[in-house]
Amino acid sequence: GQQVMQIPQYQHVQEGEDFTTYCNSSTTLSNIQWYKQRPGGHPVFLIQLVKSGEVKKQKRLTFQFGEAKKNSSLHITATQTTDVGTYFCSLPSTGNQFYFGTGTSLTVIP
Amino acid sequence: GAVVSQHPSWVICKSGTSVKIECRSLDFQATTMFWYRQFPKQSLMLMATSNEGSKATYEQGVEKDKFLINHASLTLSTLTVTSAHPEDSSFYICSARGLAATGELFFGEGSRLTVL
Repeated sequence: GQQVMQIPQYQHVQEGEDFTTYCNSSTTLSNIQWYKQRPGGHPVFLIQLVKSGEVKKQKRLTFQFGEAKKNSSLHITATQTTDVGTYFCSLPSTGNQFYFGTGTSLTVIP
Repeated sequence: GAVVSQHPSWVICKSGTSVKIECRSLDFQATTMFWYRQFPKQSLMLMATSNEGSKATYEQGVEKDKFLINHASLTLSTLTVTSAHPEDSSFYICSARGLAATGELFFGEGSRLTVL
């Protein structure tokens, strides 16, 4: 199945530092979703982006959809230990399936 | 948000046996459910799309005779790993699409299968 590259694969940050993960597609996307999976847990929906250039914020999290709708980013300001987990982007397909990016695992060092 | 329940959470079985995993949408009807497989520290790989009342759609490389999917009702999909072997050991997780405009996925808790 389709898989999309996310970078970086792993990120270790000191608590209070910022964090960004990028999701890049070779094709134009109708929309993109972001999920967070805590260690030992299941993915939980964070947000969906639909419009070109769209920027959405959720407290310390900022989500962006590229102008060409081929890439997206998730930025966390001033990370906290509760931000630990793996962040996945998810791309819908023409067949209504959902494919997930390779994920970025975030470790926050207190 | 919507709730998806998956059972069992973990199962250990002997090689050659079959294991059934259930996925239920508790507070909404799901005509479509998705089954994923996740290896340690890796992404979720879509195995198949489960369609209520019809055959599942399998992703390329996934053996339909190995991973039997049944979606007999609007709230229940099952995945049966037939004649399991150690290489089938993995974390299997189901999801259902919610009713919100975003079409977000709600995931079950996952089932960790260990085949001895």
